[in-house]
Amino acid sequence: DVKVTQSSRYLVKRTGEKVFLECVQDMDHENMFWYRQDPGLGLRLIYFSYDVKMKEKGDIPEGYSVSREKKERFSLILESASTNQTSMYLCASSSPGLEIYEQYFGPGTRLTVT
Amino acid sequence: GQSLEQPSEVTAVEGAIVQINCTYQTSGFYGLSWYQQHDGGAPTFLSYNALDGLEETGRFSSFLSRSDSYGYLLLQELQMKDSASYFCAVRVLYGQNFVFGPGTRLSVLP
Repeated sequence: DVKVTQSSRYLVKRTGEKVFLECVQDMDHENMFWYRQDPGLGLRLIYFSYDVKMKEKGDIPEGYSVSREKKERFSLILESASTNQTSMYLCASSSPGLEIYEQYFGPGTRLTVT
Repeated sequence: GQSLEQPSEVTAVEGAIVQINCTYQTSGFYGLSWYQQHDGGAPTFLSYNALDGLEETGRFSSFLSRSDSYGYLLLQELQMKDSASYFCAVRVLYGQNFVFGPGTRLSVLP
């Protein structure tokens, strides 16, 4: 069974803390994505990676960085958490080519920054 | 900029047919996909269109008209379990970049 897992379902951090969100997929997918989801705004792409050590900015990369050292793992880093980064964070993965449309999502991490 | 528009809410009864529209204005276009998300759950892929026309997958169909920058998701024989949010997403100019719409909340009534 296809699976994308995220390190935490719920996370509470303080303003200014460095935050790591981990995502692991077991489908040998080349592509991995990080989105944030906010009510009324849908999903917004933060970063994506199409190969190990490769990354591209999405629509809202400011305040975030990513790391992909292994094919199955894609990490999202909040360098200095701020209250406006309180959100649901979703990781996804897909194969290349036309299969990129079929993204598999993890359960999400609800991050609260106080 | 990039923008996708969907109705915020749609209500229908069991057994009916419902259409959820999506219009887009994006810099470049490669294809349109649809996702379903139940409350508290992860989005799950339903369908995609890279070319104009209708794609059918069981009770769900998706349509695309690139000349009109418009697509829709058609759900037939509605069931209570179809109550969820539905998102359209456009794959834009830069390869793996996807822009999602704000989502349409579908309520199926008995």
